[in-house]
Amino acid sequence: NAGVTQTPKFRVLKTGQSMTLLCAQDMNHEYMYWYRQDPGMGLRLIHYSVGEGTTAKGEVPDGYNVSRLKKQNFLLGLESAAPSQTSVYFCASSLDRATDTQYFGPGTRLTVL
Amino acid sequence: AQSVTQPDIHTTVSEGASLELRCNYSYGATPYLFWYVQSPGQGLQLLLKYFSGDTLVQGIKGFEAEFKRSQSSFNLRKPSVHWSDAAEYFCAVGALSSGGSYIPTFGRGTSLIVHP
Repeated sequence: NAGVTQTPKFRVLKTGQSMTLLCAQDMNHEYMYWYRQDPGMGLRLIHYSVGEGTTAKGEVPDGYNVSRLKKQNFLLGLESAAPSQTSVYFCASSLDRATDTQYFGPGTRLTVL
Repeated sequence: AQSVTQPDIHTTVSEGASLELRCNYSYGATPYLFWYVQSPGQGLQLLLKYFSGDTLVQGIKGFEAEFKRSQSSFNLRKPSVHWSDAAEYFCAVGALSSGGSYIPTFGRGTSLIVHP
């Protein structure tokens, strides 16, 4: 039981490049989330999903897209990376409500030059 | 919209001393409240949570928190801090969004420094 895993752990992009971050969970959780963590800002919700095939915007969705084609996977895409997207990205999942305990992945450190 | 305030960016305590980390929330109804801990380079781990019932909640690693509705607070406490408690602590509130789902909002975190 791996819990929540994130791929990759580190990535460096140039401005304008695109990439996809992968989050996978093996706990059969319905809810999945993507957060970004910046110094002094805590965690801010980018997008979330309440089930397979559904997505919704969080607090800071601009510049990101997501997809939840399979229940266990939640992908975060950056179509045209900007330096402002330099951050640590965390994925989380919870059983069937956002009020359930969230289980977090180890994070992806992204640098955009 | 809900919000969470953690007034202290940093807190320093001596090992063995007691600890209290402050958290204030803003939400119109009864909130769902959480405390998470983040060790350096790691993801977040749940310490404890409050939904209803007894306002004093026990969590893992010897932590507890008390929900005070009149003060809109959910402060985290530990009677005796260990060096391994040095970490970032986040308070969060889960509240009903306009889309009908309960969505968590995190505070900005408090960094705990433990002196030997």
